[in-house]
Amino acid sequence: EVQLVESGGGLVQPGRSLRLSCAASGFTFDDYAMQWVRQAPGKGLEWVSGISWNSGSIGYADSVKGRFTISRDNAKNSLYLQMNSLRAEDTALYYCAKARSRPVIVDDAFDIWGQGTMVTVSS
Amino acid sequence: DIQMTQSPSSLSASVGDRVTITCQASQDISKYLNWYQQKPGKAPKLLIYDASKLETGVPSRFSGSGSGTDFTFSISSLQPEDIATYYCQQYDSFGGGTKVEIK
Repeated sequence: EVQLVESGGGLVQPGRSLRLSCAASGFTFDDYAMQWVRQAPGKGLEWVSGISWNSGSIGYADSVKGRFTISRDNAKNSLYLQMNSLRAEDTALYYCAKARSRPVIVDDAFDIWGQGTMVTVSS
Repeated sequence: DIQMTQSPSSLSASVGDRVTITCQASQDISKYLNWYQQKPGKAPKLLIYDASKLETGVPSRFSGSGSGTDFTFSISSLQPEDIATYYCQQYDSFGGGTKVEIK
């Protein structure tokens, strides 16, 4: 079964850090680009970051650039998001998502999504 | 950055009605427009990719069309299980969503 399982969310104080993980199974992980997408409570979807199959190409939303770092370990079939200098506006459900067909971060749909991990930034 | 403008933000229709949602890109995105369905408490589900291609396993009452900057998503005959929020997406930009309810 093709599956993505996120972990690492929780309650964190403003200015602190958190690292999210996404474990992939059921497909050849290093054939595809991967993404993080978040959804604030009651709000719409926001793309956060994407990474190509070999980590050679990476992109970030302006809202997280310089604070968040995406990475992947193809040997462990895992995707990560290191979140530093967290703000209240980073509070959201964070999803990892698989690119549908391409190994690079361009013009692709996201066909597999995890169930999400909740990050709450509050003092 | 490309902006995606989706409308309406919500709609109410009867079972069996045809439902149409539009999405406009701030610049030419060719065919690279995708549509998702999100039910409450669930992750988004890919329905349509590359503007008009139906994802495997998605019912044929869902369809998409358009190219360039203007795109349309339709449900030919609304079913109770279609109650959800629908989003358009161009890679790193999502539309604001359309909440579909039963009248």
